[in-house]
Amino acid sequence: SAVISQKPSRDICQRGTSLTIQCQVDSQVTMMFWYRQQPGQSLTLIATANQGSEATYESGFVIDKFPISRPNLTFSTLTVSNMSPEDSSIYLCSVGKQGAYEQYFGPGTRLTVT
Amino acid sequence: EDQVTQSPEALRLQEGESSSLNCSYTVSGLRGLFWYRQDPGKGPEFLFTLYSAGEEKEKERLKATLTKKESFLHITAPKPEDSATYLCAVQVSRSTGKLIFGQGTTLQVKP
Repeated sequence: SAVISQKPSRDICQRGTSLTIQCQVDSQVTMMFWYRQQPGQSLTLIATANQGSEATYESGFVIDKFPISRPNLTFSTLTVSNMSPEDSSIYLCSVGKQGAYEQYFGPGTRLTVT
Repeated sequence: EDQVTQSPEALRLQEGESSSLNCSYTVSGLRGLFWYRQDPGKGPEFLFTLYSAGEEKEKERLKATLTKKESFLHITAPKPEDSATYLCAVQVSRSTGKLIFGQGTTLQVKP
């Protein structure tokens, strides 16, 4: 497994602003992902963070709204831009190592947009 | 379209009362089925991966099984600390690693 930390753990933001969420892993990983968990819902994949290239976004998610960076094999950021109350969710990063198919999740960032 | 359905949505058990959670899936090609446990306010905790029909895995009071259409998570003699939401996810492509999650089953075990 891997030890994954996320910052911030929670935040309350005003609509129209942006928030950047950080994900740090204690070892190098091949794959990093960002998921969203809306209140009372299950997890939905936003995008795969690719090291050294643009992220791969799932249908319904766009780079302008959710820009992602991955400068190295242990760190990634997700920005939630121009927020609205509908963006209130838990945002989770997960990681996977090459040769193993399990994904391990960080503790999540609980975002509330007012 | 790839789809994962979990049932029941919620389950209440008395301590010691065994039961099973169901995860049925319709996917183009299963590469792996994953079970996670999620406690309130926390990220999902990995429990099991199953790869092929007939496979079984156990961990303490939990046992996961897999058929060609569904997976079961059997809970034997549960304790209050087993109370959590249990999530099932499928992976249809190992190259992308994408997981498709079910809605989860929220389990409450009363002492």
